[in-house]
Amino acid sequence: GENVEQHPSTLSVQEGDSAVIKCTYSDSASNYFPWYKQELGKGPQLIIDIRSNVGEKKDQRIAVTLNKTAKHFSLHITETQPEDSAVYFCAASPFGQGAQKLVFGQGTRLTINP
Amino acid sequence: KAGVTQTPRYLIKTRGQQVTLSCSPISGHRSVSWYQQTPGQGLQFLFEYFSETQRNKGNFPGRFSGRQFSNSRSEMNVSTLELGDSALYLCASKRGVHEQFFGPGTRLTVL
Repeated sequence: GENVEQHPSTLSVQEGDSAVIKCTYSDSASNYFPWYKQELGKGPQLIIDIRSNVGEKKDQRIAVTLNKTAKHFSLHITETQPEDSAVYFCAASPFGQGAQKLVFGQGTRLTINP
Repeated sequence: KAGVTQTPRYLIKTRGQQVTLSCSPISGHRSVSWYQQTPGQGLQFLFEYFSETQRNKGNFPGRFSGRQFSNSRSEMNVSTLELGDSALYLCASKRGVHEQFFGPGTRLTVL
């Protein structure tokens, strides 16, 4: 089955700097890669996703890149702000109308230092 | 539009008991998935229901079961609770091919 590895497990950056979180997946059948942000006491919140027919997607300060050949994808957050502090999870799944099972990475605790 | 709601938010049980958790999906969403989140194992998929039928299942023992009602609301049940079942149980809903939206979770503590 699918296996997703996520690095680093913790990341501390200065406010205004960029943060990058990387994930690798094992199953070439996976074609949907969402990123979730989880704040303390809350459920994961989808922040951006990418499908395997796209190499890069951007939404304001957040971008995701996908390299299908190498089976890795990354989250980039620019101009970080204190409210970006949270745990971030990547996930992989086959995508479509049918059954969907997200396989998650282990998470990255991001701390933005003012 | 209201998000995914889960009840109860917190639950304390003792070993050997059983528990039922409830999830109400976003209006119009027909797919409901359940995940278990623990510090050691992270987020793990339990099962997915669509139109009252289980159509995908993770690698959990048969003590974990679920069901979905005609209004898309879902329940999951854990029987003969073990200490290791202590976790945050998350429900997520989606409509068609769209992304999954998670609820706040139910924090289960087994003593």
